[in-house]
Amino acid sequence: AQSVTQLGSHVSVSEGALVLLRCNYSSSVPPYLFWYVQYPNQGLQLLLKYTTGATLVKGINGFEAEFKKSETSFHLTKPSAHMSDAAEYFCAVSDPGQGAQKLVFGQGTRLTINP
Amino acid sequence: DTEVTQTPKHLVMGMTNKKSLKCEQHMGHRAMYWYKQKAKKPPELMFVYSYEKLSINESVPSRFSPECPNSSLLNLHLHALQPEDSALYLCASSQDPPGGREKLFFGSGTQLSVL
Repeated sequence: AQSVTQLGSHVSVSEGALVLLRCNYSSSVPPYLFWYVQYPNQGLQLLLKYTTGATLVKGINGFEAEFKKSETSFHLTKPSAHMSDAAEYFCAVSDPGQGAQKLVFGQGTRLTINP
Repeated sequence: DTEVTQTPKHLVMGMTNKKSLKCEQHMGHRAMYWYKQKAKKPPELMFVYSYEKLSINESVPSRFSPECPNSSLLNLHLHALQPEDSALYLCASSQDPPGGREKLFFGSGTQLSVL
């Protein structure tokens, strides 16, 4: 069975600092990997995804993530944090072989930006 | 139009009430989903419809009854709910039938309180 672990339920950084949100997965086959963001009182919005091909994936709002198979990781980064990045971030995984879009979400990381 | 619209935004109901949540998308997506999200938790998949047919039911209690009248609409009928069913109910859609790699478009959700 697949699982996702997000290290750190709460991350706090200063405005302009590097953002690093950690995600590790467990899967018997190379999975599809996603990062979603949830702003207060809203639904989720896709930041980026990895399916095949280039392992460094660029997403919206200046975020990127790198798929590292050897480390079973898909960490999310942004070089310079902005106040508008404050939100809940979810890493998610799905199995290419299961024939259905059954996303398994991590527990989420709340990102706080300090002025 | 790239929105998934959910109504109502807030709903308070008693345990003997019958109510319905509605979801609508006009992006031509052929897959639609219901998720349940408890406070400070990740979304949990409830149901998936693919080409207007129920393809996934994640062992959801029968007091939740989904309905897909057409390719643009998804309903969730509620009856005899319990207080522990209080949560944010999120609707989502994706362009293609579920295959694992699709981007999900989420609505803003219905915040349900069961008294």
